[in-house]
Amino acid sequence: KQEVTQIPAALSVPEGENLVLNCSFTDSAIYNLQWFRQDPGKGLTSLLLIQSSQREQTSGRLNASLDKSSGRSTLYIAASQPGDSATYLCAVRRSAGGTSYGKLTFGQGTILTVHP
Amino acid sequence: DTEVTQTPKHLVMGMTNKKSLKCEQHMGHRAMYWYKQKAKKPPELMFVYSYEKLSINESVPSRFSPECPNSSLLNLHLHALQPEDSALYLCASSHPRGAGVKIDTQYFGPGTRLTVL
Repeated sequence: KQEVTQIPAALSVPEGENLVLNCSFTDSAIYNLQWFRQDPGKGLTSLLLIQSSQREQTSGRLNASLDKSSGRSTLYIAASQPGDSATYLCAVRRSAGGTSYGKLTFGQGTILTVHP
Repeated sequence: DTEVTQTPKHLVMGMTNKKSLKCEQHMGHRAMYWYKQKAKKPPELMFVYSYEKLSINESVPSRFSPECPNSSLLNLHLHALQPEDSALYLCASSHPRGAGVKIDTQYFGPGTRLTVL
């Protein structure tokens, strides 16, 4: 059974810092890995999706890397801002197995607070 | 339009009530999902519909009954719920694998906050 762990559980940083969120998974037979952001009481916003054949993806100040063999992914946030404060979730999709849909296993999330 | 909409935003119901949650997307996605999220926990998958057919039921109690009347609409019918069913219910959708455009990214709606009294 796939297990996804995120470290740290919570992180508080001053504005402007670069930071790294970590995600690890136990079964390396994944199809892709997705990073989401969730604001309190809201739905999830997809940030980045990395296919199993890829090493990293970038979007603006965000960079996500994937090392499938070691079961790890990191989300790097550059020049953090108070508006980045949210819960960040990583989710892995197991190998496709011929299905047309994705069954995701989520980590517990990292609660990020960026203070001015 | 990359939006998934959910109604209602909030719902309070008694244990004997029957209610329905609604989810809609107009992105042409053919996979739609229901998740349940308790406070401070990650979302848990409940159901997956692929091409309007139920593909996954994660051993969800029968008091939750999903329905996918067409490719844009997903409902979750609720009956005889328990207080422990109170949670945020999230709907998501995605392109089918092989569609060639941003496959697999799941787009989530804002959720319905359900309280069962």
